[in-house]
Amino acid sequence: QSVLTQPASVSGSPGQSITISCTGASRDIGSYNLVSWYQQHPGKAPKLLIYELTERPSGVPDRFSGSKSGNTASLTISGLQPEDEATYHCCSYAPGRPFVVFGGGTKLTV
Amino acid sequence: EVQLVQSGAEVKKPGESLMISCQGSGYNFFRYWIAWVRQMPGKGLEWMGIIYPDDSETKYSPSFEGLVTFSADKSINTAYLQWNSLKASDTATYYCARPDYSGSSRFDLWGQGTQVTVSS
Repeated sequence: QSVLTQPASVSGSPGQSITISCTGASRDIGSYNLVSWYQQHPGKAPKLLIYELTERPSGVPDRFSGSKSGNTASLTISGLQPEDEATYHCCSYAPGRPFVVFGGGTKLTV
Repeated sequence: EVQLVQSGAEVKKPGESLMISCQGSGYNFFRYWIAWVRQMPGKGLEWMGIIYPDDSETKYSPSFEGLVTFSADKSINTAYLQWNSLKASDTATYYCARPDYSGSSRFDLWGQGTQVTVSS
């Protein structure tokens, strides 16, 4: 069972916006903005989409954005495109061992 | 090109030993931590722990400590993940990834993954 809780699946139509939630605890997401999001297509390695809660690596479209409220982080994808269909994983720093925790992943269907 | 290249897929029997590798190129491999991440079939990602190739300092997740061993050979820019006695429950894809510091959730570089199948 994952430490961070994500919905198993979400869906949206092309052009729409969706939000994926990631619920942790006060000791991890609630206390630190050290949340990352990863996109994973089937059979591929994860790809970094968002780090430090809201930052995007170069090359990641600004359709992808991150935010937080309390112990829950969120990934919003606006202007959905067919190629956004993938599984999205959240990840957070967690003080003490194991230091880093992941969510269970959310499958996005476009 | 900055990349991590992992060794190929493995099929093993329960009780056998295994070592898989992750070779970095295009950057100062020994100056960055390497993390190992497990993904069981149809499941999410799990952080197993990290190793610092320069001095082989390791930090293990409690869930994996004593079950696997991390090592590294900085002379050939390679990190390793080892099992002494595999179980069927070790069947998974294992990724190496580069965090920007030891406790970082930011993994900006990933290997392609090594699929390990353990079956009698």
